[in-house]
Amino acid sequence: EAQVTQNPRYLITVTGKKLTVTCSQNMNHEYMSWYRQDPGLGLRQIYYSMNVEVTDKGDVPEGYKVSRKEKRNFPLILESPSPNQTSLYFCASSFRGGAGYTFGSGTRLTVV
Amino acid sequence: KNEVEQSPQNLTAQEGEFITINCSYSVGISALHWLQQHPGGGIVSLFMLSSGKKKHGRLIATINIQEKHSSLHITASHPRDSAVYICAVNLNYGGSQGNLIFGKGTKLSVKP
Repeated sequence: EAQVTQNPRYLITVTGKKLTVTCSQNMNHEYMSWYRQDPGLGLRQIYYSMNVEVTDKGDVPEGYKVSRKEKRNFPLILESPSPNQTSLYFCASSFRGGAGYTFGSGTRLTVV
Repeated sequence: KNEVEQSPQNLTAQEGEFITINCSYSVGISALHWLQQHPGGGIVSLFMLSSGKKKHGRLIATINIQEKHSSLHITASHPRDSAVYICAVNLNYGGSQGNLIFGKGTKLSVKP
């Protein structure tokens, strides 16, 4: 089944403790991206990758890192999480930037 | 001012009604997307448009590039259509179509 898999689905962590949210797709898509969704603010793009080893900032990249070492994986790294990064995170992929997107199921992160 | 504006913010309809959700944008775009977010949180891509009109079942999406406006129509609405509908645009600058900007969504509730 064609899908984007995010892990974990839920995560509670403490301020400053490094964490990684994984994202993997099995559709050989070139494009992958990360978003956060907050009440009243909607979805906002964090980072995106047009292909392997090519990443670019979205609207809200501060406090996040990404890497795209292989086509299928696009992990989101929070090196020193803070409470304002408490949010619902989505990963998505598409054949190319601007094509239709497949979204992961989301990761609900709480930083205390 | 938000670059992508949706209206209405909330919409309640009776089963069987014809529904229209509007999206206006103020930037140059390469494509416009309509997404559906289920009450459980999952996001599904409904349409990608760069011109004209697309139809899928009871859903119709149109875009007017000159007026920078798109509409999503639902014919013969059903309670299972209850969801948040989100408009998103790929920015068109620097040759990159990776940037995705979202509207804040329209929450639709269809009563039986």
